[in-house]
This record gives sequence, structure tokens and C-alpha cells, in this order.
Amino acid sequence: AQSVTQPDIHITVSEGASLELRCNYSYGATPYLFWYVQSPGQGLQLLLKYFSGDTLVQGIKGFEAEFKRSQSSFNLRKPSVHWSDAAEYFCAVAPRGGSQGNLIFGKGTKLSVKP
Amino acid sequence: DAGVIQSPRHEVTEMGQEVTLRCKPISGHNSLFWYRQTMMRGLELLIYFNNNVPIDDSGMPEDRFSAKMPNASFSTLKIQPSEPRDSAVYFCASSFRQTAPTGELFFGEGSRLTVL
Repeated sequence: AQSVTQPDIHITVSEGASLELRCNYSYGATPYLFWYVQSPGQGLQLLLKYFSGDTLVQGIKGFEAEFKRSQSSFNLRKPSVHWSDAAEYFCAVAPRGGSQGNLIFGKGTKLSVKP
Repeated sequence: DAGVIQSPRHEVTEMGQEVTLRCKPISGHNSLFWYRQTMMRGLELLIYFNNNVPIDDSGMPEDRFSAKMPNASFSTLKIQPSEPRDSAVYFCASSFRQTAPTGELFFGEGSRLTVL
């Protein structure tokens, strides 16, 4: 079955430290890949997406993600975390050739930032 | 530009009552999605529309849930009768259906429903 796994439910990092949030997917073929962020009390906002080409994609707010086909992973990274990055982060996948309604979200990783 | 607008932001009701959640998508968008978010199940797609037509409602939990999109600028999600297990945050999202099969979804701020 198609699935998205975010192994870390909650991560705490110090401000200025680097960040990596993990995402693994299970799919028949390489899907389209997304990271969304949800600030408290807000809806989700797209950070970045991977469709094809360069496996390292840049997003908004200084985030990047790397697609690794061999590991079925699409981990999100940021070199230096800011306090405003505290939020919940969702990895999502959609099948190629499918419709927008096939977007499947992981359970999310909540990021806390220590001063 | 206005984003996706949802109302009410918060709703507290008693079991058995009817609940109606409303959504105004971004102007020009032709796809609309209703999601439900709970701690246990995460984000679940309930139903989505393309050009006001329901395309996939397989995520609607049961007959107590219904959704309509009478025009391009308005959609409702109705729960009747409501039950405590319906307590969740309900998100509406919209997008412009391009030639690529998936585009960016723009989410509203959600409607937090509590059924007592």
C-alpha cells in the first residue's frame, strides 16, 4: 500500500543548529514529493516540491530537500534553524499521472526550537 | 490577494446537532479539497472537486457527511447528525488544475470542530 512515513514525531533543536527531518515513502514508482509546513493555528503551506531533475531542491524560508531514489527518501534540511521555524512539518507524495486528490500526507514532525 | 477563507474558525456543538462548515477558495482556482486533521489519523482527504464537480468522495467517513460546491466560489461540508468522534480540524484547500497532475495546494486556516 502507498504510504508516507515520518519517523520522528517531535524534534527539538537549538536555534542556529542544523536540522534534518526524515521522510520515507512506499510507492510503486517514484512519486511527486512535497514538504508542507503548518504553523500553530494555521493551514499548511508548501515549502518545496520535487517532480524531476536535480535531486536537491530548494524551497522557501531557506529549506532544501534531497530525493534519494535508492532509499525512497525525501529528507528536509536547513543549515541554521530560526526560532520562527517552530512548526509542524508534513511530507506528502502523489503518484505520477494521478490527480491532485491523490496527495498523501505523512503524520507530521513537530519541530521545537530552543533559544 | 485573499487566501482560502473558512468559517467558522471554531465550532462547539452538542452531539446530534447539524454542523455546516464553509469555504471560499482562491479566485481562479478550479479544484477544491476538504481535509480532516486529527491526532490519531493525521490529515485525511475527505472529498475533492474539479470545476465544482465532486471527483472523489471515497474519504467521506459515512453518510452523515456531505459536501457541496454550488459555484466556483463556495463550498460547504455538512455533518448531520454530529458525533463526538467528528471532533477535528477541517481544512479546505484550493488549487489551479494545470496540465501537470499535481499543483500546489493552498490551505485555509481550518475550522476546529468540537462535538460534546
